[in-house]
Amino acid sequence: AQSVTQPDIHITVSEGASLELRCNYSYGATPYLFWYVQSPGQGLQLLLKYFSGDTLVQGIKGFEAEFKRSQSSFNLRKPSVHWSDAAEYFCAVGALRESGYSTLTFGKGTMLLVSP
Amino acid sequence: KAGVTQTPRYLIKTRGQQVTLSCSPISGHRSVSWYQQTPGQGLQFLFEYFSETQRNKGNFPGRFSGRQFSNSRSEMNVSTLELGDSALYLCASSLGSPVPGTANTGELFFGEGSRLTVL
Repeated sequence: AQSVTQPDIHITVSEGASLELRCNYSYGATPYLFWYVQSPGQGLQLLLKYFSGDTLVQGIKGFEAEFKRSQSSFNLRKPSVHWSDAAEYFCAVGALRESGYSTLTFGKGTMLLVSP
Repeated sequence: KAGVTQTPRYLIKTRGQQVTLSCSPISGHRSVSWYQQTPGQGLQFLFEYFSETQRNKGNFPGRFSGRQFSNSRSEMNVSTLELGDSALYLCASSLGSPVPGTANTGELFFGEGSRLTVL
């Protein structure tokens, strides 16, 4: 079964500084990977996804992520953080099985705090 | 295009009662998944329905059940509520399993959730 680890529960970044949120996954075949963001009291919004092809993917709100198969990682980055980026971020991995059926498994999330 | 709609947004119940939550997926989406979100456990998969059939179920007791209607709308029910059932219940819809070479990458579109408090 697939699993996702987000090693950082909380991260504090100064506004304007760069950001990297870590995500490691475990899955035997080629995974498809997602990053979602959740603001307080809201549902999850998709930031970006990796399915195949170019390992550097661009998302909304200036975010990008890089798939590194050798490290089983899919870290999320942003060059300059804005105060409105403060939220909880979830990495998710999907499994495409022979039957075609798949589910998404989520990490426990990383809470991003942005300091002035 | 309307997003995923969940009702009610907030509800308070007491132990032993039951609750039914509703989810209307994005038009054209035939897959509906349910997740329970709590501070300690994060997002935990409950079950997924596709074309009125439950395709997979997470590791939850039988008190948690669901169904999907012919119009893809879904409901989940929790019977004999316990204090530990207090959580945000999230519904997500999708086109279904990802299809390589197409725009369907299996991404989930989430509703805003139903916040259940059990007293």
